[in-house]
Amino acid sequence: SQQGEEDPQALSIQEGENATMNCSYKTSINNLQWYRQNSGRGLVHLILIRSNEREKHSGRLRVTLDTSKKSSSLLITASRAADTASYFCATDGSGNTGKLIFGQGTTLQVKP
Amino acid sequence: SAVISQKPSRDICQRGTSLTIQCQVDSQVTMMFWYRQQPGQSLTLIATANQGSEATYESGFVIDKFPISRPNLTFSTLTVSNMSPEDSSIYLCSAGRTGVTEAFFGQGTRLTVV
Repeated sequence: SQQGEEDPQALSIQEGENATMNCSYKTSINNLQWYRQNSGRGLVHLILIRSNEREKHSGRLRVTLDTSKKSSSLLITASRAADTASYFCATDGSGNTGKLIFGQGTTLQVKP
Repeated sequence: SAVISQKPSRDICQRGTSLTIQCQVDSQVTMMFWYRQQPGQSLTLIATANQGSEATYESGFVIDKFPISRPNLTFSTLTVSNMSPEDSSIYLCSAGRTGVTEAFFGQGTRLTVV
């Protein structure tokens, strides 16, 4: 079963604008991760935030985590056409099993 | 990191037949998983591939339909048996190591059943 919801389901912006995607989850977690998928191919790991962290940066990516609300957001700043992809949040539950539970995903289109 | 090779990358199959997907990791990993991604949907975990023993299946997935093998630490196969058009999906292999939370994914196998 899916862990939770992501919104928006689809997002279309102009190059240079910022893109914000949100993710909610249902269970306790050790960490939350964000992945990118280009055109139905494999997933690429973007960033991980642990349950005791509130914000994390990596290049143009900024992730926040609010465990009280069971939600996370991914901000991509100064977007590029190459950022066009689907973005998924994934949680590990609290069991350290390595299994991931994915959100529904946000499809981002960045127009040149 | 780990590089995962998955093949075939895509296939078109007749209903009632079976397809075996192979997943090869370039280094030893502790955990291997198989996910399904139905058209326009997110990823759903099919099973955990256990080395030298039967896979652990998630609710809604059974061994008769999705037999999985993992003979060693770097190789696993997933078979989609007695296929129907509803099995048309992308199937993805994933691997990870104990203590390393990042998961690595193969490029996926796009299966179309006609």
